[in-house]
Amino acid sequence: AQSVTQLGSHVSVSEGALVLLRCNYSSSVPPYLFWYVQYPNQGLQLLLKYTTGATLVKGINGFEAEFKKSETSFHLTKPSAHMSDAAEYFCAVSPFTGGGNKLTFGTGTQLKVEL
Amino acid sequence: GAVVSQHPSRVICKSGTSVKIECRSLDFQATTMFWYRQFPKQSLMLMATSNEGSKATYEQGVEKDKFLINHASLTLSTLTVTSAHPEDSSFYICSARQDGAAGQPQHFGDGTRLSIL
Repeated sequence: AQSVTQLGSHVSVSEGALVLLRCNYSSSVPPYLFWYVQYPNQGLQLLLKYTTGATLVKGINGFEAEFKKSETSFHLTKPSAHMSDAAEYFCAVSPFTGGGNKLTFGTGTQLKVEL
Repeated sequence: GAVVSQHPSRVICKSGTSVKIECRSLDFQATTMFWYRQFPKQSLMLMATSNEGSKATYEQGVEKDKFLINHASLTLSTLTVTSAHPEDSSFYICSARQDGAAGQPQHFGDGTRLSIL
């Protein structure tokens, strides 16, 4: 079985500061990895994904994430936070084989951006 | 691309009413769609996997007769909450997975806020 851990249910940064949202996964085989963002009363929007190949993946809105197999991590970063980045962020994994393409979500991290 | 439309966005109705929610993939085909439920300040809970042309696969603890799922075409899945009661009030979100290579992401609708009085 696979699982996802997001450290820190709430993260607060100043506008212009580095954003770092942590995600660790547990899986017998490295899974497919995703980051989604959710704004209030909306669905989820895909930020980026890792399937194979280059371990540093770039997504929308200036976000990027690096897959580190040795650390079983897929942390999300952005060099400079903007007020519009305030939202809930979910890390998710999908099994490499089988599993019916289901997503397993982390519990989410609420990002607050302060002036 | 990869747009998923979910309708309605909000429903308020009396206890005992059945409510139908539609999920459409607008610009891609989706053999597989998913229905989630999200409680306030929590993550998404998968309710069921909707498979085009076949029966849905429900997660443990989800009542099949309560939450009816129909996936009649490659672009449309519906969730019907039958005889809804106040405890069914929640935020329901659908997603569609684009057919094709492994690792395709799920694309989400904007959710439906269901309030049962």
